[in-house]
Amino acid sequence: GDSVTQTEGPVTVSESESLIINCTYSATSIAYPNLFWYVRYPGEGLQLLLKVITAGQKGSSRGFEATYNKETTSFHLQKASVQESDSAVYYCALGDYNQGKLIFGQGTKLSIKP
Amino acid sequence: EAGVTQSPRYAVLQEGQAVSFWCDPISGHDTLYWYQQPRDQGPQLLVYFRDEAVIDNSQLPSDRFSAVRPKGTNSTLKIQSAKQGDTATYLCASSLDWGGYEQYFGPGTRLTVL
Repeated sequence: GDSVTQTEGPVTVSESESLIINCTYSATSIAYPNLFWYVRYPGEGLQLLLKVITAGQKGSSRGFEATYNKETTSFHLQKASVQESDSAVYYCALGDYNQGKLIFGQGTKLSIKP
Repeated sequence: EAGVTQSPRYAVLQEGQAVSFWCDPISGHDTLYWYQQPRDQGPQLLVYFRDEAVIDNSQLPSDRFSAVRPKGTNSTLKIQSAKQGDTATYLCASSLDWGGYEQYFGPGTRLTVL
């Protein structure tokens, strides 16, 4: 079936250190997978961080990057130097260009140590 | 531009009681989604609409859950006879269209069934 698996949380990283949150997907019934990272900051609603519709492309936002790798079925989220304001829950999601639904991973809670 | 609004924000019920959740999407968004998010899990799609038509309700527990969007704007999700397993946050989202378009999420309704 279609599914998303991401790094089990919680994850704690020191400020200014690098970060990678792994995301792998299975898209057995989706002809044109799209990939997304959503984020929920404390006290706020779920919001889009970045998206990539085409395999091989990279998306970036707020210093975060993720590359859609069709060969390894991965969409890992990376940041070179995290800040305290990056503390949040991050969700990887798989979408179908021909349909509207999103399939979310379980979420990764990230805490940044000052 | 106003975001997606939901009400109520919280609900506490005894098993067997009914509850309705209301969602007002962003103006002009023709696609509306309802997700269920159990604690410490990612959102799981229940149903989505394009205008007033149900596109996919295959994950909606049809014996107790129902959802409508009669004029293609606001939507109501109803649980007829709540069970403890329904305890979760119910999220509404809307998008301009489907297929790679960003989904904008409301704040959610946190339901507790005792």
